[in-house]
Amino acid sequence: DAGITQSPRYKITETGRQVTLMCHQTWSHSYMFWYRQDLGHGLRLIYYSAAADITDKGEVPDGYVVSRSKTENFPLTLESATRSQTSVYFCAILSTREQLSGELFFGEGSRLTVL
Amino acid sequence: RKEVEQDPGPFNVPEGATVAFNCTYSNSASQSFFWYRQDCRKEPKLLMSVYSSGNEDGRFTAQLNRASQYISLLIRDSKLSDSATYLCVVNRPSGNTPLVFGKGTRLSVIA
Repeated sequence: DAGITQSPRYKITETGRQVTLMCHQTWSHSYMFWYRQDLGHGLRLIYYSAAADITDKGEVPDGYVVSRSKTENFPLTLESATRSQTSVYFCAILSTREQLSGELFFGEGSRLTVL
Repeated sequence: RKEVEQDPGPFNVPEGATVAFNCTYSNSASQSFFWYRQDCRKEPKLLMSVYSSGNEDGRFTAQLNRASQYISLLIRDSKLSDSATYLCVVNRPSGNTPLVFGKGTRLSVIA
């Protein structure tokens, strides 16, 4: 068990509101990732973090903000939610130190609906 | 050409059948390859890594063809429980996305 939890699992919000999705790992793996999954697009990387206080943009970072003040937490914030951000969001951790190998463990996902 | 491309399917096969999926990738510098499985409304989970020499895990065989830049997944003696979406994952050696996911191939095994 990778010990990765996401909250909330389900969220309905309105356009313009701020939303924060939490990701917590009980291990101390360095790399953490946020993906969104949409029909027709597959999994797309939003942001990732190599360690505490180190974050990098992924493929689709616009409209999102992340932070990593502690190794175990990697929150994703939508500062002003838009309907196009309705999606399933997955947090993931990498099981080894090396970025390019190893297994990605995913959280169960957070389903966000923006009305 | 898309960076990682898969036939979306669906592949509808009877129990006991053998089914194969291919995945093509465009970056010749890619070095790491994986197959993930995703059940409906669940998170993706690693099925197997793909090694240059090919590798087998029970009914599942993964192969890599660097010359043609594709990886394959073969499932023998399909079970109902194999019904899922299979995601091809390839590393990108540079840029802002270390691992690139294909959109997935949906498999339905029918009794």
